Amino acid sequence: AQSVSQHNHHVILSEAASLELGCNYSYGGTVNLFWYVQYPGQHLQLLLKYFSGDPLVRGIKGFEAEFIKSKFSFNLRKPSVQWSDTAEYFCAVNGGNYGGSQGNLIFGKGTKLSVKP
Amino acid sequence: GAVVSQHPSWVICKSGTSVKIECRSLDFQATTMFWYRQFPKQSLMLMATSNEGSKATYEQGVEKDKFLINHASLTLSTLTVTSAHPEDSSFYICSASHEATYEQYFGPGTRLTVT
Repeated sequence: AQSVSQHNHHVILSEAASLELGCNYSYGGTVNLFWYVQYPGQHLQLLLKYFSGDPLVRGIKGFEAEFIKSKFSFNLRKPSVQWSDTAEYFCAVNGGNYGGSQGNLIFGKGTKLSVKP
Repeated sequence: GAVVSQHPSWVICKSGTSVKIECRSLDFQATTMFWYRQFPKQSLMLMATSNEGSKATYEQGVEKDKFLINHASLTLSTLTVTSAHPEDSSFYICSASHEATYEQYFGPGTRLTVT
């Protein structure tokens, strides 16, 4: 069965610090990978996604993630965080047979990021 | 942008009663909608996949007779929690898959408290 692990429950950083949130998945086949963000009091929003091609994907607000197939990882990075990045971040995966449909997403437990001004 | 709404945003009900939660895609059509449940400090757990005009597909361990899902139109899906019990108290989130792009857009969630 598919599963997603996010290693950090809560990360606290100062502004301008670099960010890396870990995400590992368990699935034997082709996967589609996603990072979602939930700002306080708001909906889940798609941050970035990987379906195929260049394993380094860039999303909104300066975020990027790298798919490393050999490590079953899809870590999220940002070189310099801002106070406004304070939110909860969820990694998600679905089987590649869904193509771009994002059907049946399996979510990690989420990582809460707190950025101190 | 694509917007998904849920109503109500929070509800308190007595044990044994039924509660209906609506999920609407406001500015796009969604052939597929998904219902998730989230416990505190836990991941979103997919409960069921709802396709317009057909029966919902429930995930293993989700009681279909307890969590009734109806997807009567391309913009509306409903989740009815029947004979609610305190253990059904949770945060229920829906998402809608855009008909053209298939990208999934999430609603704001509904907090259900059963007393």
